[in-house]
Amino acid sequence: GAVVSQHPSWVICKSGTSVKIECRSLDFQATTMFWYRQFPKQSLMLMATSNEGSKATYEQGVEKDKFLINHASLTLSTLTVTSAHPEDSSFYICSARESGRGETQYFGPGTRLLVL
Amino acid sequence: DAKTTQPPSMDCAEGRAANLPCNHSTISGNEYVYWYRQIHSQGPQYIIHGLKNNETNEMASLIITEDRKSSTLILPHATLRDTAVYYCIVHSGYALNFGKGTSLLVTP
Repeated sequence: GAVVSQHPSWVICKSGTSVKIECRSLDFQATTMFWYRQFPKQSLMLMATSNEGSKATYEQGVEKDKFLINHASLTLSTLTVTSAHPEDSSFYICSARESGRGETQYFGPGTRLLVL
Repeated sequence: DAKTTQPPSMDCAEGRAANLPCNHSTISGNEYVYWYRQIHSQGPQYIIHGLKNNETNEMASLIITEDRKSSTLILPHATLRDTAVYYCIVHSGYALNFGKGTSLLVTP
């Protein structure tokens, strides 16, 4: 149980294009999902918190107009990197917290983005 | 959330117990101790969590000192697949704050 998937697992795109990453909780409902970013040899950094049916809360320094987050259902959150640039190349990881079952977060496998 | 301190790296021989320490001297009463691990190029994996009692599951045991200022994650019989970065996180809600963790290397 408590499986989270991400799609795609990796993506290569040209500078200036937009990329959408999906995060799904497969066997539970998640009121809250989180998006993290991890650069090489660094730890995970929280980008934003996504609550189903409401606007995401972004961490300081994360541009909300560049990283669009939508949490339209209890099992799906999407992160769209708009007008991607090479410095956006990173490992993007989502996590989900099961509704009414405590604070444990379960993570997806991550999406590796390379912007050329 | 309280800050944690972990050794940057540890080695363990395959088949032996791996004991990973964590200090969290500023932990408050309602904060849990969580352990996650991240194998290279994968998302973090939940291992175990506890409040004040020792906990055990199929992956590991968590020993929390009586004053709750430190804890130890125990992998009873480490395998090569346990090589990963292990994160100790003190958490009371909201998002997880990942520090640098302990890089555990299990050797043959």
